[in-house]
Amino acid sequence: DTGVSQNPRHKITKRGQNVTFRCDPISEHNRLYWYRQTLGQGPEFLTYFQNEAQLEKSRLLSDRFSAERPKGSFSTLEIQRTEQGDSAMYLCASSNGATSGRRDEQYFGPGTRLTVT
Amino acid sequence: AQSVTQLDSQVPVFEEAPVELRCNYSSSVSVYLFWYVQYPNQGLQLLLKYLSGSTLVESINGFEAEFNKSQTSFHLRKPSVHISDTAEYFCAVMKGANNLFFGTGTRLTVIP
Repeated sequence: DTGVSQNPRHKITKRGQNVTFRCDPISEHNRLYWYRQTLGQGPEFLTYFQNEAQLEKSRLLSDRFSAERPKGSFSTLEIQRTEQGDSAMYLCASSNGATSGRRDEQYFGPGTRLTVT
Repeated sequence: AQSVTQLDSQVPVFEEAPVELRCNYSSSVSVYLFWYVQYPNQGLQLLLKYLSGSTLVESINGFEAEFNKSQTSFHLRKPSVHISDTAEYFCAVMKGANNLFFGTGTRLTVIP
C-alpha cells in the first residue's frame, strides 16, 4: 500500500527562478489537494482537484502559482519567479471522495520543502 | 476570520501524566472536525475525526476528543501520555468542498 508521494523532498532555488513539484496520490483517489505550511503555522489550503478538474483555488494562490492534474492522476505545482516569501513546506493530500460530496479522510504526503535564497 | 484556534503553542508534560490539547472553532454551520498529528520528519496523519453521531471520538492509540457544540470546542485528551506521543498536533475543520482549515498547531513534548 503506497501512500501519497511527493518529489522532490527538498528544493533550494534562487529568487526569480521557476520550480515545479510533483505529487503522486494514492492510486484510487480521485481528489487531490495542495497545501502550504510555513514555520509555526498550520497547513493552508491552496487548491483542489476532482479528477482532472481544478475545482477550487485559494486567494493564496497568486498568478505565479499554477497547478495541473492532466490525466487525473499525478499533479504538478509550479511557482514562477520565486520570491523569498514562497519558502515553505508544500503538502499534497488525496482522498477517495464520491461525487456526492462525502467528507473523506485526506491522506498527506511528506511534503516538499522549498527554500528560496 | 480564524476558523480554528489552538491557544497552546507548546505543551510540555511528564510521561504517564494526562494531557489536554485545546481546540476551538468558529462556524455558524455544521462542521466536520479533525485532529492530525505530525511526528518529527514525517507527514501529517489523521488521528481522529468527528463527522456526525457520537460526540466522543477515539483513536487507536488512546487519544479521544469530544465535540462540544455549545462551547464550539473539540479538545484532544489522553489520560496517560508516552514518550512516543511527542509530536505536533493540528486541529482542523472541514468546510465547503472538503477543504481543511488548520489551526496553528500545538507541540506536545513528553518529558521522561
